[in-house]
Amino acid sequence: AQKITQTQPGMFVQEKEAVTLDCTYDTSDQSYGLFWYKQPSSGEMIFLIYQGSYDEQNATEGRYSLNFQKARKSANLVISASQLGDSAMYFCAMRERYNTGANSKLTFGKGITLSVRP
Amino acid sequence: DGGITQSPKYLFRKEGQNVTLSCEQNLNHDAMYWYRQDPGQGLRLIYYSQIVNDFQKGDIAEGYSVSREKKESFPLTVTSAQKNPTAFYLCASMGPLDSNQPQHFGDGTRLSIL
Repeated sequence: AQKITQTQPGMFVQEKEAVTLDCTYDTSDQSYGLFWYKQPSSGEMIFLIYQGSYDEQNATEGRYSLNFQKARKSANLVISASQLGDSAMYFCAMRERYNTGANSKLTFGKGITLSVRP
Repeated sequence: DGGITQSPKYLFRKEGQNVTLSCEQNLNHDAMYWYRQDPGQGLRLIYYSQIVNDFQKGDIAEGYSVSREKKESFPLTVTSAQKNPTAFYLCASMGPLDSNQPQHFGDGTRLSIL
């Protein structure tokens, strides 16, 4: 089974509106971290936001927030007030057993393409 | 400024040739990673190193080799055994392993077959 699932087809959003990008994950670990990255057409990977499995509050970073539903194993990224520069691919990733220091690997989903319309 | 430098930005390989992709970081990070990305796809882990002089295979290590002789450097060699090397290669590094720090990425190298 895939550890990270991003199944939405290409997403479109009107400038200044909010958009939700879905991510579901599969793990039997109690301790894990979830990360979202943005990849513009130039190729670099930009870290956006992190959510730990023990965090009680949903993570927020500026216009980015994470809708973390642990029981449903979902970690959806919400982008508020979309801008043209938000057009990019967005990847969800998971790191299992992070608090032990034994594992530092990330597993990535296949990504979602977001296009912001003026 | 601290960061990760990958070179070259574009690389072309002839049939039967080995090529080496460079990755250097000045973030004083212990862990470094190599990923491969095919068009429209996610990142797949090739090799990773959590400490100098040690490295482990990732999910798609066949046809690749690495070394980690210095903390700052983690070069990736794409050997002639890798029959489909055309892809975008990303190098990353990470700070303390027992933290929730994200991996930081370089700008990538695009490798093509001549």
